[in-house]
Amino acid sequence: NAGVTQTPKFQVLKTGQSMTLQCAQDMNHNSMYWYRQDPGMGLRLIYYSASEGTTDKGEVPNGYNVSRLNKREFSLRLESAAPSQTSVYFCASSPGQGFTGELFFGEGSRLTVL
Amino acid sequence: AQKITQTQPGMFVQEKEAVTLDCTYDTSDPSYGLFWYKQPSSGEMIFLIYQGSYDQQNATEGRYSLNFQKARKSANLVISASQLGDSAMYFCAMREPPYSSASKIIFGSGTRLSIRP
Repeated sequence: NAGVTQTPKFQVLKTGQSMTLQCAQDMNHNSMYWYRQDPGMGLRLIYYSASEGTTDKGEVPNGYNVSRLNKREFSLRLESAAPSQTSVYFCASSPGQGFTGELFFGEGSRLTVL
Repeated sequence: AQKITQTQPGMFVQEKEAVTLDCTYDTSDPSYGLFWYKQPSSGEMIFLIYQGSYDQQNATEGRYSLNFQKARKSANLVISASQLGDSAMYFCAMREPPYSSASKIIFGSGTRLSIRP
């Protein structure tokens, strides 16, 4: 039972480098989400997606791009990383429209930008 | 715009006592859902309980119950008979209904609960 899988689990970048966080779910969910969690803080929504090919901005989308190429996968890209993007990133999924239940989370990806 | 507020950054509670974690929310939509999640020091997000805005009764799940007061726009989490393993961060979250796309789900800033033996 994999659920929501995120890679990599840890990453260290230098300012200005780019990278992509990968997320895949095997629960046939329609909706997927990317959140960031700064130390001692709550989760802030970066982007979310209702289905393949559709994405919406969340609370803090600046500096990020996302791609939902298929139903299973939702990637988050940092084109030019900044120290302010040091955070733990969580991917989550949900069955989607009309569903009133909870989000299913990945284990998180800890990103440090030097 | 939707908003979630948790006003208690940290709480200390004696083991076996009941504890209430506060959550207030703001939304203009009559249809929404409210969640509580627990995040232990290991970092994973654990779903605890869900309440829909049209649910007539307060949600309960084992030792967890949600004190839903719609007119006050509050959705407090009550943990009965607290245990040492309840020490963690607790987050309140809200889902607005989808229109043409996925529901936007946002979280509060969290409350760190510490249980004293």
